[in-house]
Amino acid sequence: GAVVSQHPSWVICKSGTSVKIECRSLDFQATTMFWYRQFPKQSLMLMATSNEGSKATYEQGVEKDKFLINHASLTLSTLTVTSAHPEDSSFYICSARDPSGRLQETQYFGPGTRLLVL
Amino acid sequence: AQRVTQPEKLLSVFKGAPVELKCNYSYSGSPELFWYVQYSRQRLQLLLRHISRESIKGFTADLNKGETSFHLKKPFAQEEDSAMYYCALSSYSGNTPLVFGKGTRLSVIA
Repeated sequence: GAVVSQHPSWVICKSGTSVKIECRSLDFQATTMFWYRQFPKQSLMLMATSNEGSKATYEQGVEKDKFLINHASLTLSTLTVTSAHPEDSSFYICSARDPSGRLQETQYFGPGTRLLVL
Repeated sequence: AQRVTQPEKLLSVFKGAPVELKCNYSYSGSPELFWYVQYSRQRLQLLLRHISRESIKGFTADLNKGETSFHLKKPFAQEEDSAMYYCALSSYSGNTPLVFGKGTRLSVIA
């Protein structure tokens, strides 16, 4: 099946610093990628929809200035957590959708990035 | 509003017993329904989707539009089925994201 990678897999940072998380579709082009956040023992919550070549669409309650999303190419979307605080500590998961419909799955998920802000 | 409800946080069954993970949804229109599974320390992966009407790893799920349900079933649970299961829906059209239920942790006891 298709593969979506995320980098880094985990990161620890100091409060106030910014952290960039990359999401790549490795063997297909994804015009749309999604960013989710998962707290321990809870479900995935959609943060934003990342569209190649245009601005991301953020869900209600998600600060766009806090979580910067850039989808510069058909295989890469980045999420930057700016001025991170301990409450931003979470598991961030991206998914990518193959618009051609060639692939069986609607969305392919990355392995996630665990962020811990001290 | 779109919503997926999984009423059980945890479901424990004995090996060989039947399993049913419940999922109800609310959606204005015709959604596409999915079950995703997350094994320990692994990424989320698609288990099955209602339009394919297939059985994966012995699991099946039938979309009941009248009851707005998409329950996941398996006649004989195996220990390796222990995992977190998420029901999800999306629109058929366009690049719409998935809406997830809160998930049910299935524990199969030997």
